Amino acid sequence: DTGVSQNPRHKITKRGQNVTFRCDPISEHNRLYWYRQTLGQGPEFLTYFQNEAQLEKSRLLSDRFSAERPKGSFSTLEIQRTEQGDSAMYLCASGGTGRFHGYTFGSGTRLTVV
Amino acid sequence: GESVGLHLPTLSVQEGDNSIINCAYSNSASDYFIWYKQESGKGPQFIIDIRSNMDKRQGQRVTVLLNKTVKHLSLQIAATQPGDSAVYFCAEWGPDYKLSFGAGTTVTVRA
Repeated sequence: DTGVSQNPRHKITKRGQNVTFRCDPISEHNRLYWYRQTLGQGPEFLTYFQNEAQLEKSRLLSDRFSAERPKGSFSTLEIQRTEQGDSAMYLCASGGTGRFHGYTFGSGTRLTVV
Repeated sequence: GESVGLHLPTLSVQEGDNSIINCAYSNSASDYFIWYKQESGKGPQFIIDIRSNMDKRQGQRVTVLLNKTVKHLSLQIAATQPGDSAVYFCAEWGPDYKLSFGAGTTVTVRA
């Protein structure tokens, strides 16, 4: 297993379009997280899953955002009716039930809304 | 609200010198902290962690110090190398298995 994989790496979309990102976590990790990072800032928590259950969603996650992890493996993050303010790096991370080493991040998907 | 933050947004250091990156946290209940390194175009990468029952932890060329009295963390990098140029974040581990990040310090290594 080579780590957390995110696709696509870059996405340019027009305002109002829908976009979907995919995250493939480390296979033995049961927790999966989505974060958003804007330029010059630290990652901000969006949501996380334990197996297929979505346990928490940040207030940053408006109704236009939805995340799924249907089989407790890969996850998708969809943004509907994109706005320019959605432009950011979307990071996925996975971790086990323990705290050791926090969790492992993917390289992210860079979204640009034009 | 309570948050994790860094003192300085940028740090320029001469190659071979030691670097010190600081971080202040406000949640006195925090009991686990992690330093991450993020290179351009990549996700954050784990460097070193420390639990609140420790004052110091050492890794390879890196040392983390924790001062619970003033709620302060620091990351020391010995003999800084060009490959150390990156953004460094401290992160606080909450009781709900969620990391909270500060804004980061950009380290630039001068040749």
